[in-house]
Amino acid sequence: EVQLLESGGGLVQPGGSLRLSCAASGFTFSIYAMSWVRQAPGTGLELLSVVSGSGVSTYYAESVKGRFTISRDNSKNTLYLQMNSLRADDTALYYCAKADLGGTTRKGVDPWGQGTLVTVSS
Amino acid sequence: DIQLTQSPSFLSASVGDRVTITCRASQGISSYLAWYQQKPGKAPKLLIFGASILQSGVPSRFSGSGSGTEFTLTISSLQPEDFATYYCQQLNSNGYTFGQGSKLEIK
Repeated sequence: EVQLLESGGGLVQPGGSLRLSCAASGFTFSIYAMSWVRQAPGTGLELLSVVSGSGVSTYYAESVKGRFTISRDNSKNTLYLQMNSLRADDTALYYCAKADLGGTTRKGVDPWGQGTLVTVSS
Repeated sequence: DIQLTQSPSFLSASVGDRVTITCRASQGISSYLAWYQQKPGKAPKLLIFGASILQSGVPSRFSGSGSGTEFTLTISSLQPEDFATYYCQQLNSNGYTFGQGSKLEIK
């Protein structure tokens, strides 16, 4: 069974930094692209970043480009999101998810972890 | 980025009803569309990809159709566990945008 477990969320001041982690199990982590998706309180979904299985290729939404960095350690089956220069509007529940966004199948993002809450406030 | 507009944003229905949710894209996305279901306090779950392909394990009362700019998600006979919020997502190009969601409530 695929399991994704996020951690690292918490309360941080505006301008601060936080690193999220996502521990994966139940599948061959290194061959799948992975993503981070966030959901601000009571609102919709925003795909923030994707990293290829090898870690070489990355994608960022404009809203986080230059501030967030996605990475992975395939030896530890772990996905990361380094978040810098955090703003109040980054407050959200952050999910990691397995991603299939290219090629002919394009199944989307699935499954998802349970999420970790990031609150940016002074 | 491609914009997705879902309608309706809210709908009330009864168990046994047939329900249809529409997702319109601001430009053509072929069949690169996925549908997700999200229940309160839970992560979204993939229902349909490729506009009409049912994800493994999803009940057959769910179906999807469409291509280009207009897509629909249909639930043929609502069950109590189907009351949730539904999102579409375009997988055609960068942005991979989601619709704003359609909340399905019990009448």
